[in-house]
Amino acid sequence: DIQMTQSPSILSASVGDRVTITCRASQSISSWLAWYQQKPGKAPKLLIHKASSSKSGVPSRFSGSGSGTEFTLTISSLQPEDFAIYYCQQYHSYATFGQGTKVEIK
Amino acid sequence: EVQLLESGGGLVQPGGSLRLACEASGFTFNNYAMSWVRQAPGKGLEWVSSVSGSGSSTYYADSVKGRLTISRDNSKNTLYLQVNSLRAADTAVYYCAKGDAGDTFDIWGQGTLVTVSS
Repeated sequence: DIQMTQSPSILSASVGDRVTITCRASQSISSWLAWYQQKPGKAPKLLIHKASSSKSGVPSRFSGSGSGTEFTLTISSLQPEDFAIYYCQQYHSYATFGQGTKVEIK
Repeated sequence: EVQLLESGGGLVQPGGSLRLACEASGFTFNNYAMSWVRQAPGKGLEWVSSVSGSGSSTYYADSVKGRLTISRDNSKNTLYLQVNSLRAADTAVYYCAKGDAGDTFDIWGQGTLVTVSS
């Protein structure tokens, strides 16, 4: 099974900050990686697929990069509505999620 | 508007069974694989099961194999998850999602809570 590890688990930041979340796969997954945002009490929302392709309607401040085993999600200028938990997901072999990164207000 | 609406969750005793349902609207249901993803209270996301658009192919996570059965009724635009031999570790919000285990989940329902407790 492919394991996904995110870091950090908690990220404290201020509005306007540039933030980066890292996701590492236990083996190469090419670019078969997605990122999701989840707010309290809500279902996850797909932000990015194939490592760097943004879903239609997702603000341009969200970007993804990486391939193989190391990936990043960057929010270029954090907005109040971006405080949430972010999950990566590999879909190279079935589906496995990272443990999540909580972006909280500093 | 694309929408997924789950139902069927509730409180069940250990060893009991439940059938969850997910009614889809706003897209051609039988063209897409569908999945169930669960989230234990305060925990992360866990893919549970997927079914092809026709219903002929099903896939399960090792942690639930043998106890869960995914199915769909394309005439009713509805996805199902039969959960048997429930245990405390199955307590979670169960989300229905459009997409396959080998793909992304681009649309999610609001979730239905299953609580296993005596």
